[in-house]
Amino acid sequence: DIQMTQSPSSLSASVGDRVTITCRASQSVSSYLNWCQQKPGKAPKLLIYAAYTLQSGVPSRFSGSGSGTDFTLTISSLQPEDFATYFCQQSYSSPWTFGQGTKVEIK
Amino acid sequence: QLQLQESGPGLVKPSETLSLTCTVSGGSISSSNYYWGWIRQPPGKGLEWIGSIYFSGSTYCNPSLKSRVTMSVDTSKNQFSLKLSSVTAADTAVYYCARQSTSWCFDYWGQGTLVTVSS
Repeated sequence: DIQMTQSPSSLSASVGDRVTITCRASQSVSSYLNWCQQKPGKAPKLLIYAAYTLQSGVPSRFSGSGSGTDFTLTISSLQPEDFATYFCQQSYSSPWTFGQGTKVEIK
Repeated sequence: QLQLQESGPGLVKPSETLSLTCTVSGGSISSSNYYWGWIRQPPGKGLEWIGSIYFSGSTYCNPSLKSRVTMSVDTSKNQFSLKLSSVTAADTAVYYCARQSTSWCFDYWGQGTLVTVSS
């Protein structure tokens, strides 16, 4: 199985900050890397798929980059509604696997 | 807007079978472009993909759970279901259903349902 490792596991930031979350795969996943946002009690929401493609309706302050084993999710200017947990998922090979999540908290 | 909703017992006894159903609204489960999946998240832990099913009934599962998983689809009700047999406390988790696109990402999710395994 491909192991996905996110860093950091949590971070504190202020509204307006630029936030970067990293996801590393144990082997190359090409560009088959997706990012989701998860809020307590709510359905997880797909933000970015195929490493950098923004899902329809997702604000442009979210962006993704990377290929191979190293990927980044960037929020250019953190908004109050962005405080949540973010996780990555590889869709390169089954079994599909996920990062452990990064919790973005209010500073 | 596509919506998915999990339903089923919130408490299951050890050694019994966990049964969940996902009801899809706002779209057809019979679409040829999608699989329909189950993912779970034990308390305080990461997400684990359980398995996915196509509207034709074709399935594929995580090898770690394959021997205990049964999935089915009911196109007339726009639902798909999961059965996990011989459960233990380690199967306690929030269970999510989700739509899986042809790029294999999960693009729509249900809000999840907590299933506790306890006597």
